[in-house]
Amino acid sequence: GQNIDQPTEMTATEGAIVQINCTYQTSGFNGLFWYQQHAGEAPTFLSYNVLDGLEEKGRFSSFLSRSKGYSYLLLKELQMKDSASYLCAVKDSNYQLIWGAGTKLIIKP
Amino acid sequence: TAGITQAPTSQILAAGRSMTLRCTQDMRHNAMYWYRQDLGLGLRLIHYSNTAGTTGKGEVPDGYSVSRANTDDFPLTLASAVPSQTSVYFCASSGQGTSNEQFFGPGTRLTVL
Repeated sequence: GQNIDQPTEMTATEGAIVQINCTYQTSGFNGLFWYQQHAGEAPTFLSYNVLDGLEEKGRFSSFLSRSKGYSYLLLKELQMKDSASYLCAVKDSNYQLIWGAGTKLIIKP
Repeated sequence: TAGITQAPTSQILAAGRSMTLRCTQDMRHNAMYWYRQDLGLGLRLIHYSNTAGTTGKGEVPDGYSVSRANTDDFPLTLASAVPSQTSVYFCASSGQGTSNEQFFGPGTRLTVL
């Protein structure tokens, strides 16, 4: 079966750094996506990785290791507005997205 | 730019009734998707359409039907609603290409009693 695993919830302090991990087992791999979803809102795209390594985009970075079936999203200089759920999704051999249940990130002052 | 719109925003529906959730995009994206999101679960694909005139079944298609008469619209119909279809429904679209991200509508919160 196909499986995406993420921690259910994480807590971090404003101004700090947090790393959200995602491990996956899918039938095929055509890229990994990270989305942000604020409570009661739609998911919005953050990043895309298809090759191994780190992709940096401002305060957010995403890392991929295809051999390990592993990715992480790194958020730096945390702000209160970063309180949200972060969704990991893998595009499988049928080019459909398989989604993790999401990690709820709580930022404390 | 509107992007993707969904209607209604929320709905309470009696079990056994039918309902159509509407989704319209103005980005001229070929691919469109319907997901449901339930607490503790990831987004689950109900149906998708890679281009106008074609549709396909996702992970959880039972009890739902879709049509894609044109590029912009992708309605989702529940023929006879059941309480287990209580969920938040998101419509999404994407352009061509493996790296293209999906853009999501604001969602429809459906309660079936």
